[in-house]
Amino acid sequence: GAGVSQTPSNKVTEKGKYVELRCDPISGHTALYWYRQSLGQGPEFLIYFQGTGAADDSGLPNDRFFAVRPEGSVSTLKIQRTERGDSAVYLCASSLNAVTDTQYFGPGTRLTVL
Amino acid sequence: DAKTTQPPSMDCAEGRAANLPCNHSTISGNEYVYWYRQIHSQGPQYIIHGLKNNETNEMASLIITEDRKSSTLILPHATLRDTAVYYCIVRVGKGSNYKLTFGKGTLLTVNP
Repeated sequence: GAGVSQTPSNKVTEKGKYVELRCDPISGHTALYWYRQSLGQGPEFLIYFQGTGAADDSGLPNDRFFAVRPEGSVSTLKIQRTERGDSAVYLCASSLNAVTDTQYFGPGTRLTVL
Repeated sequence: DAKTTQPPSMDCAEGRAANLPCNHSTISGNEYVYWYRQIHSQGPQYIIHGLKNNETNEMASLIITEDRKSSTLILPHATLRDTAVYYCIVRVGKGSNYKLTFGKGTLLTVNP
């Protein structure tokens, strides 16, 4: 079946601009996660949704970052006033639920802030 | 949160078994060991997980020591396409929040 998809695959923006990154989870998966991966590092947790609500947003670095999942399926990660340090690969993962915890990852969105 | 320790890199000859070690000496009784791999420019790919018994699937085998302080991921017949960074992860969280904490992993290079 279809896996997790993310769009766009690459995004180049200028410092100070607003960006939105989209994640389509595996159909029927209720849990959705966002991670960020900087060059040479492992992915770092940002936020977790169970259904429509953000169950844990402790990984969001500051209030410029926000994520939504209004209908419990597609999620959008929003970054305001982008900074060069936001450049990274943003990964989305989903799992059937949070108890059966196997998370399946999408291919990621590579964000470059000039 | 249990921390994992992995060698930064390993080499393996094509067709031979690749044995990737992981230490997780502070793991608690209800924490699982997960293995993911990440091929260059792709998202992490789930391989296998286990609690205390050895596990095998179509991709790999997971051997967990009796005291659960270490484990080994075994790729029985490595191919060039198995070249990737392999992450050993102990699941963290409380309640129903099971975020994954990745380290730097082991870069496995399979040589022809």
